[in-house]
Amino acid sequence: DTAVSQTPKYLVTQMGNDKSIKCEQNLGHDTMYWYKQDSKKFLKIMFSYNNKELIINETVPNRFSPKSPDKAHLNLHINSLELGDSAVYFCASSHNMESEQYFGPGTRLTVT
Amino acid sequence: GEDVEQSLFLSVREGDSSVINCTYTDSSSTYLYWYKQEPGAGLQLLTYIFSNMDMKQDQRLTVLLNKKDKHLSLRIADTQTGDSAIYFCAESPPGGSYIPTFGRGTSLIVHP
Repeated sequence: DTAVSQTPKYLVTQMGNDKSIKCEQNLGHDTMYWYKQDSKKFLKIMFSYNNKELIINETVPNRFSPKSPDKAHLNLHINSLELGDSAVYFCASSHNMESEQYFGPGTRLTVT
Repeated sequence: GEDVEQSLFLSVREGDSSVINCTYTDSSSTYLYWYKQEPGAGLQLLTYIFSNMDMKQDQRLTVLLNKKDKHLSLRIADTQTGDSAIYFCAESPPGGSYIPTFGRGTSLIVHP
């Protein structure tokens, strides 16, 4: 039983396209996150949602738009993809903003 | 400079102890974490330590915290080939949010 799942696992697309990555958690957590891990392995927070409300929105281009239809899902939509968007994107969830985070397996996005 | 620094690689022989080191800059950090990332997988929380502790032991893992030097280490006793992974150090500031700042990760390679 996967606690935090992401789809797709791999995504290869061309510049200028629009794509979405989905995340689901079955842990009953209230808080979900998106992280970006670049080629140098830096892991940076992008967004955080608590009870479907946007809490953290780090300096991320507005081409990235998170959407939380319910507490168990946090999807990431990216418009007009650029080469620099190539990275591994991790979803995570936690019981609340003060609890440890559980990570999904990651989505490797390659923009050509 | 980076907020959380780690050496990028560590190579050990199976059965030896591994020590992975990390330095951080935020003296107000309340929680310090060690995450493990196996190939193709998401991050898994290994252990964490409160800033008012000096040491925490959990089976083969020992975490040492030197607050004065802002130095955190993870010791893995009797290292096994299955311990080969990337280990991320992370710090979390006070204020009710556990959004960690991650280091780049240390790749641990265990030789048979």
